[in-house]
Amino acid sequence: ETGVTQSPTHLIKTRGQQVTLRCSSQSGHNTVSWYQQALGQGPQFIFQYYREEENGRGNFPPRFSGLQFPNYSSELNVNALELDDSALYLCASSVGGRGGSTDTQYFGPGTRLTVL
Amino acid sequence: DQQVKQNSPSLSVQEGRISILNCDYTNSMFDYFLWYKKYPAEGPTFLISISSIKDKNEDGRFTVFLNKSAKHLSLHIVPSQPGDSAVYFCAASGRNRDDKIIFGKGTRLHILP
Repeated sequence: ETGVTQSPTHLIKTRGQQVTLRCSSQSGHNTVSWYQQALGQGPQFIFQYYREEENGRGNFPPRFSGLQFPNYSSELNVNALELDDSALYLCASSVGGRGGSTDTQYFGPGTRLTVL
Repeated sequence: DQQVKQNSPSLSVQEGRISILNCDYTNSMFDYFLWYKKYPAEGPTFLISISSIKDKNEDGRFTVFLNKSAKHLSLHIVPSQPGDSAVYFCAASGRNRDDKIIFGKGTRLHILP
């Protein structure tokens, strides 16, 4: 059984650019959640996808967007990058009827994004 | 507005002794609480959870205690082992299935030989 994988591992971008981060869910999981973890903070919920549809969103601006594909892999897109977007971006997959909060989430290792 | 608070950024405990990690929350609608463990360069790993209908849940060396009146939970690790050195995140969510999980800032646990 393959765990949750994320790519790339590290990324450096400049302010104003756009970035796409990728996540492959654990086998059999139909729900993906994305989190932003700034330095010294806990993970902060960005949004969740269940069966290719957005299923909840945290307090992030619209320039944070996502997609989930038929194979349940997912992308996080961030437009017009700002310095404060520098963080570790984590995705987590889970299996559940609606990916509810009580379903155990399995996290990937994260993508470290640095915005200069 | 931090709804889940872990007030100790770090904690050092002698190997073999008990480690107690604390967490406070402010939202009385929280119904489900979780602890995650994170090693460097890895994603958080689910450790143990507790529903608000319980006040204790045990899994091997790990026990979580919930005090709803005080809005406080704690994770006890007995006995502490070197592999327990990691960052521990407390998290909470509401009773609705689409409620998001709110994480604390984490506590770094050092197990001393």
